[in-house]
Amino acid sequence: KQEVTQIPAALSVPEGENLVLNCSFTDSAIYNLQWFRQDPGKGLTSLLLIQSSQREQTSGRLNASLDKSSGRSTLYIAASQPGDSATYLCAVRFRSNFGNEKLTFGTGTRLTIIP
Amino acid sequence: DARVTQTPRHKVTEMGQEVTMRCQPILGHNTVFWYRQTMMQGLELLAYFRNRAPLDDSGMPKDRFSAEMPDATLATLKIQPSEPRDSAVYFCASGLNRERAFFGQGTRLTVV
Repeated sequence: KQEVTQIPAALSVPEGENLVLNCSFTDSAIYNLQWFRQDPGKGLTSLLLIQSSQREQTSGRLNASLDKSSGRSTLYIAASQPGDSATYLCAVRFRSNFGNEKLTFGTGTRLTIIP
Repeated sequence: DARVTQTPRHKVTEMGQEVTMRCQPILGHNTVFWYRQTMMQGLELLAYFRNRAPLDDSGMPKDRFSAEMPDATLATLKIQPSEPRDSAVYFCASGLNRERAFFGQGTRLTVV
């Protein structure tokens, strides 16, 4: 079964620190992986999309890496700020023989940046 | 600023009533997803369309839920009859082929 796991479920970090969020997936046959951010009561905001052929993607203070063979991705946030507090979700688009290339989500990591 | 638009944003209804949620995908996108989010289950895929054709609705309770795309600018999710356990936030997302998916703000459904 194709599954996505995010550990830990919650993380608290003092402002200014660098941090890493983890995502693991059970099948290395993927098209791409997408990181989202969700603020309480809001929709999902796309942060980064990393293709299966890529090793990393960067946007501002965010850097996502992908190791397909080990089934892992990380989201690195540099110089964390209170505004980074949110739930971060990882979603994997697994390959499918049926054209069913849906996004499979992890359960997310709730990040709190302590001022 | 292109965005996925969902209506209504909030819906409170009585058990047994029909509920219809609507989604306007981003113009030019050819894939549409419906997800349901609850505290217990997280994000669950209900339906997935590509070029208006349903590719996956295995996560949807078929006896009461239905999803359609009458045209490329509208996707609908219907629940009939609604039950209290259907209370959740329902998200629509759209994308172009396998590229980045963009989510709407969701419809918060409460069935009493």
